[in-house]
Amino acid sequence: GQQVQQSPSSLVLQEGENAELQCNFSSTATQLQWFYQSPGGSLVSLLSNPSGTKHTGRLTSTTVTKERRSSLHISSSQTTDSGTYLCAIDRRNNNNAPRFGAGTKLTVKP
Amino acid sequence: GALVYQYPRRTICKSGTSMRMECQAVGFQATSVAWYRQSPQKTFELIALSTVNSAIKYEQNFTQEKFPISHPNLSFSSMTVLNAYLEDRGLYLCGASDNQAPLFGEGTRLSVL
Repeated sequence: GQQVQQSPSSLVLQEGENAELQCNFSSTATQLQWFYQSPGGSLVSLLSNPSGTKHTGRLTSTTVTKERRSSLHISSSQTTDSGTYLCAIDRRNNNNAPRFGAGTKLTVKP
Repeated sequence: GALVYQYPRRTICKSGTSMRMECQAVGFQATSVAWYRQSPQKTFELIALSTVNSAIKYEQNFTQEKFPISHPNLSFSSMTVLNAYLEDRGLYLCGASDNQAPLFGEGTRLSVL
């Protein structure tokens, strides 16, 4: 089955610093999504990026499909960015449900 | 717009009792619905995938006897946690899809006393 590895498992930054989160997966993915989960909160979809580079606000995701990896770059981090960032991968054509990585817990200090 | 609603948002049940949770797709047809559990301090584990006109596929460590799922139409699915114990507490998430990237609900948070 699909394995999804995220790194680092946790990251502590000062406000204003940039964050780089990684997601590696074991099988070809046709869908890759990045999510945010606030502490004790629900899941918020950030980006869907199966290949290439996508931007939204301070977020940039780059997925290199043949290398089975994706990154999420958060620029000028804010304290409100603190929480867990999860990537989820699926192979839509095979009717597989998305598999989640273990997440990166980001803490942004003032 | 397309949305997924989950109900209830939070619930508490006594140890050994059962809890039913619902997932409603609005604005699109949910041809497949995936159910997940996030136990405390863990990531989302896939419980099962239900696809219309196909058998429900349960993941290893999850069974129909413990987590029966109903997917009677293209807008609704429900899952019951039977005989809930402490290890069943967590956030239960449904993701509904019509062959696009799935939309997720906000989850049902289950506490077990």
